[in-house]
Amino acid sequence: NAGVTQTPKFQVLKTGQSMTLQCAQDMNHEYMSWYRQDPGMGLRLIHYSVGAGITDQGEVPNGYNVSRSTTEDFPLRLLSAAPSQTSVYFCASSYGQTNEKLFFGSGTQLSVL
Amino acid sequence: SQQGEEDPQALSIQEGENATMNCSYKTSINNLQWYRQNSGRGLVHLILIRSNEREKHSGRLRVTLDTSKKSSSLLITASRAADTASYFCATDAGGNEKLTFGTGTRLTIIP
Repeated sequence: NAGVTQTPKFQVLKTGQSMTLQCAQDMNHEYMSWYRQDPGMGLRLIHYSVGAGITDQGEVPNGYNVSRSTTEDFPLRLLSAAPSQTSVYFCASSYGQTNEKLFFGSGTQLSVL
Repeated sequence: SQQGEEDPQALSIQEGENATMNCSYKTSINNLQWYRQNSGRGLVHLILIRSNEREKHSGRLRVTLDTSKKSSSLLITASRAADTASYFCATDAGGNEKLTFGTGTRLTIIP
């Protein structure tokens, strides 16, 4: 099993550009989530999903969209990138519909200029 | 605002010593989890303790939970260089669908 796979690992965007961060898991996990990690602020929840077709907002959802058309994939879309979205983004999944024992991807480091 | 706050923010100890880090939270929880993050990597789940448990062990890890004080501690015994990492506590105070992380303790083990 590959676990949780995130692509790309690094990305540089210009202000106003849009892009999609990909996340896929091969563990048949129902729960998937996106976090951003900023220095001194820990991880903050952006969006999460408890199953295909179901998504909900986390703590910092503004500027991001998600969809969950399959159990395996949970892409995160930046609609119009802003410098404030410069961060490291982590996708995580867990068995069942709860967030117990999250499995994390290796992260995407995003810079918005 | 952060639900969990770790203390200390940074800790350096000699290899072989024990490391203790603490987590305080603000509202009632169902469970509390500890994760480790090595530099440049994703987080790895270490241990989960439920609100009706007071202590839990996993290898060299010992976690305690005091719900009356809204605090938890993580003890790593006989530390090794490989334990150098950041450690985060996470709580489900927002419901079992939202896991809230603290700001972490950066642990450095000196060989």
